[in-house]
Amino acid sequence: AQSVTQPDIHITVSEGASLELRCNYSYGATPYLFWYVQSPGQGLQLLLKYFSGDTLVQGIKGFEAEFKRSQSSFNLRKPSVHWSDAAEYFCAVVLSNDYKLSFGAGTTVTVRA
Amino acid sequence: EAGVAQSPRYKIIEKRQSVAFWCNPISGHATLYWYQQILGQGPKLLIQFQNNGVVDDSQLPKDRFSAERLKGVDSTLKIQPAKLEDSAVYLCASTDRKETQYFGPGTRLLVL
Repeated sequence: AQSVTQPDIHITVSEGASLELRCNYSYGATPYLFWYVQSPGQGLQLLLKYFSGDTLVQGIKGFEAEFKRSQSSFNLRKPSVHWSDAAEYFCAVVLSNDYKLSFGAGTTVTVRA
Repeated sequence: EAGVAQSPRYKIIEKRQSVAFWCNPISGHATLYWYQQILGQGPKLLIQFQNNGVVDDSQLPKDRFSAERLKGVDSTLKIQPAKLEDSAVYLCASTDRKETQYFGPGTRLLVL
């Protein structure tokens, strides 16, 4: 079955430490890939996206993500987190033939001082 | 460029009451989506419009939910009557390119 999996429900990281959020997808073809962030009480903000080309994608707020076809993964990284990065992060995919967003369940990030 | 606007931001109603949410997409965006996000889950698509026509409403509980986009711009989502399990955040998104959707701040609904 087609799916998007975010294995980590909750991650706690110290301010200034690095962060990596995992995302795996299960689709027959390579989909378009997205990471969104949702701060408390807010809507979803697009961090970055991958359609094709360079597999390392740079986004806003210092985030980057790497597409690995062999692992069906699109992990999100940030070298040094700030307290304002505390939020919920969603990985999402769109199949090129139907343009419908399918979301993972999300990973909640807590930043400790 | 103004983003996707939604109102109200919060709504509390009792079960069996009716409620309506409004969305104004980014100017020029032909495609509009409504999502339901239950606490602890990712958003799930309810309905997709292309201009004023429905593209996909397969996940919309049509016995109680309805949506319209009469002039191909703003849209209204209605629930009548509401159930406890309808408590969620209702997100509106729009796009001018099918690949990338832009989301509004959402309406948080609590059904008591």
